[in-house]
Amino acid sequence: SNELTQPPSVSVSPGQTARITCSSDALAKQYSYWYQQKPGQAPVLVIYRDNERFSGIPERFSGSSSGTTVTLTIDGVQAEDEADYYCQSADSSGTYVIFGGGTKLTVL
Amino acid sequence: QVQLQESGPGLVQPSETLSLTCTVSGVSIMTYSWTWIRQPPGKGLEWIGYISYSGNTEYNPSLKSRVTISGDTSQNQLSLKLTSVTAADTAVYYCARERGLLTGPLNPWGQGTLVTVSS
Repeated sequence: SNELTQPPSVSVSPGQTARITCSSDALAKQYSYWYQQKPGQAPVLVIYRDNERFSGIPERFSGSSSGTTVTLTIDGVQAEDEADYYCQSADSSGTYVIFGGGTKLTVL
Repeated sequence: QVQLQESGPGLVQPSETLSLTCTVSGVSIMTYSWTWIRQPPGKGLEWIGYISYSGNTEYNPSLKSRVTISGDTSQNQLSLKLTSVTAADTAVYYCARERGLLTGPLNPWGQGTLVTVSS
């Protein structure tokens, strides 16, 4: 499948670890990217090439990949991390861009 | 510092053509590829298409018959045209720089512009 599947929501308490998954057969062949979007703002690149942290992104954000699933991990979640998170990749042929449905991270 | 700014009508009549411009500053559009994305209110992101640094384009198959993306190097602008719009095309439209191999990471993004399709 070329669709990217994310859980609709994840909830964690401050200081805990949040893990957001993204699954697709396409991820076995294509890189993944993660974006953070806060209300009323444009998305911001957080992770590229599965596990590279983008410039200016706090070290508590990390990415990993295993087969057809990639994971965004936020260690020591802070209130400011509450946002929607989207994964992005390409279809198996590498021609089209695809986005996951997004995950709303709630900090309790 | 690279900056992108979307502009265009905020209201479009059903069956008409949606036309948006993305003005790029800080870099020539000829040196990168550029992507259009949209987000219906309260929903997720949808890729519309991209134009490469050489002018090649690729579109979302679900929109391909209605979409045209082009670039104006003299103005350093990108344009998006979407024909025969319906209420389902109501969304915030973003342009973004692509930093990989056409389907790679997008950074930065413009602030987005809301387009409402309604009579």
